[in-house]
Amino acid sequence: ETGVTQSPTHLIKTRGQQVTLRCSSQSGHNTVSWYQQALGQGPQFIFQYYREEENGRGNFPPRFSGLQFPNYSSELNVNALELDDSALYLCASSFGDLAASPLHFGNGTRLTVT
Amino acid sequence: QKEVEQDPGPLSVPEGAIVSLNCTYSNSAFQYFMWYRQYSRKGPELLMYTYSSGNKEDGRFTAQVDKSSKYISLFIRDSQPSDSATYLCAMQHGSGNTGKLIFGQGTTLQVKP
Repeated sequence: ETGVTQSPTHLIKTRGQQVTLRCSSQSGHNTVSWYQQALGQGPQFIFQYYREEENGRGNFPPRFSGLQFPNYSSELNVNALELDDSALYLCASSFGDLAASPLHFGNGTRLTVT
Repeated sequence: QKEVEQDPGPLSVPEGAIVSLNCTYSNSAFQYFMWYRQYSRKGPELLMYTYSSGNKEDGRFTAQVDKSSKYISLFIRDSQPSDSATYLCAMQHGSGNTGKLIFGQGTTLQVKP
């Protein structure tokens, strides 16, 4: 069974730039969620994708957007990067309803905005 | 007030000790309760997953949920240096909100040999 994989592992960007982060879900999982984890904090929910559509969104501005592809992999795009966007971005996958399938996380992408 | 409160620690214990980690929450709509372990530079790893009040045991780990007090706990017996990590509690509303977990801040645990 292949786990959740994310790329790249580390990324350095300049304020104002745009970034795309990628995630491959665990084998058999059809739902992908994205989280932002600031240093010393718990992860915060950004949004979730199910069947290629956004299915729930946290308190993040529209410059955070995403995609899910037919193979259930996903992208997180962030436009107009700000210094506060520096964080660990985590992707998690599951199968359908949480009652049957808790979230399984990847190791994240560490984004630094200078 | 945060929906989920967790003492960030750090917590330092000797090897073999019993560790108690706790979270309180304010939203009575939470129905699913999880504990994740996160090693440095890694993603959270699911340890325990429970629904409703009561205890659940898995090896050296016991998860406890008290909905009446809005309080959850994770107990680690015979703690090992390899248990040194950050422990995150997480909660979710009932089905239909798949994927949106509310996390505590995380408690950093160090088990000394």
